[in-house]
Order: sequence, then structure tokens, then C-alpha cells
Amino acid sequence: EEQLVESGGVVVQPGGSLRLSCAASGFSVDYYTMHWVRQAPGKGLEWVSLLSWDGVTTRYAASVRGRFAISRDNSRNSLYLQMHSLTTEDTALYFCAKDKQQLLMEHYFDYWGQATLVTVSS
Amino acid sequence: DIQMTQSPSTLSAFVGDRVTITCRASQSISIWLAWYQQKLGKPPKLLMYKTSSLESGVPSRFSGSGSGTEFTLTISSLQPDDFATYYCQQYSTSSPAFGQGTKVEIQ
Repeated sequence: EEQLVESGGVVVQPGGSLRLSCAASGFSVDYYTMHWVRQAPGKGLEWVSLLSWDGVTTRYAASVRGRFAISRDNSRNSLYLQMHSLTTEDTALYFCAKDKQQLLMEHYFDYWGQATLVTVSS
Repeated sequence: DIQMTQSPSTLSAFVGDRVTITCRASQSISIWLAWYQQKLGKPPKLLMYKTSSLESGVPSRFSGSGSGTEFTLTISSLQPDDFATYYCQQYSTSSPAFGQGTKVEIQ
């Protein structure tokens, strides 16, 4: 069964950095485009970033471009999100999610993790 | 970037009601639209993709329609398990975008 488990969320001060991890099981991350999606407390869903199945293409929401970097480790079957220059606006639950279709670039998501909470506060 | 707008933001309904949620895109997305259901404290659940393709295991009371810039999600007979927040999401471009959500409440 496909599963995604996020970790790494903590309380961090404004201006700080953090790396989130997403461990995948039941499928290989190098066959699917993978994503980070966040949800601020009481708010809606915001797509954050993607890493294409072939590892070539990355995309970022304008709100995080230049501050966040997505990557993966095929040997650990894991996805990462490196976050820098954090602000209070980055406070959110961070979900990792996978495309339903493998080896394609149709970005809708059939499996999601349970999320990890990032709180940016002084 | 393509903006997605849902209406209404909140919807109050009775069990058994027919419910329709509308999603509008700021430019044409053809049929590249998905719908999700999210319950409190849980990740979103995929309901529909390519506008009207039902995800495996999703009850047939859910249906989707539309193309271009206007789309609807319909629940033919609302059940107690359907009270949740629903999100549309476009995937016409390489930067997916969600609507702001529609909360379906018990009247």
C-alpha cells in the first residue's frame, strides 16, 4: 500500500531554515512527480513545489520561489523540502503528495501524507 | 498564474439534498480539473479528476462536469459522511492551483 510520512516540522524563528522530509513506501518516488502542498491554520490548500518523476524539473509557487528547494533521495525513497528565510506567512501544515499517474506530468494527487507542522514564531 | 474561485464558500444543507459547488478558472483549463474532499485533521482525498472521472472507491452520488473556465461538483443525495470541505484544483499548467474551498455544513 502506498504511504507517505512527513517529518521535520518544528517551531523556528523568523529568518530561520528548516528541512522537511517525506518518506515514501509502496511505490518509487522516481516513477512519480512529487509535490509539497501546505495549509495555513484554518485556511485552504496552497501548492508549494514539485519535482518531476525524472528529477529534471522543479517548480515553485511564487510565494516560496528563491527560498525553498525541493529534492529527493532515490536510495531512501524520500522527498525533501529545504526552507530558508522563513516568515510567519510560512506557518502551515506541510503535506507531501504524489501524482496519480506515473511517468506523466498530470499533477493531481491520489496519495497524501498526514502532514508535518511548521510554526514560524519568535 | 491561473486563479481558481469556488462558490459558495459555505453551504448549509440537509441529508438527502442535491448539492452543487461551482469552480471557475481565470483562464481556460480545458478539462484538467480535480476535486478533493477534506475532513478536519485529515489530508485531502481525491474525488474526481479530468473534470468527471470518478476516483476508485468514491460513491457514484458524486459527479463532475464542465470545461474551459466553469466547472461543477454535484452530490446527488447528501449523506452524513459528505459534510466536509471541498476543493477544486487545476492542473492545466505546471503550477497546480487550488480553489479556496467550499465548506458543506449540516443545516
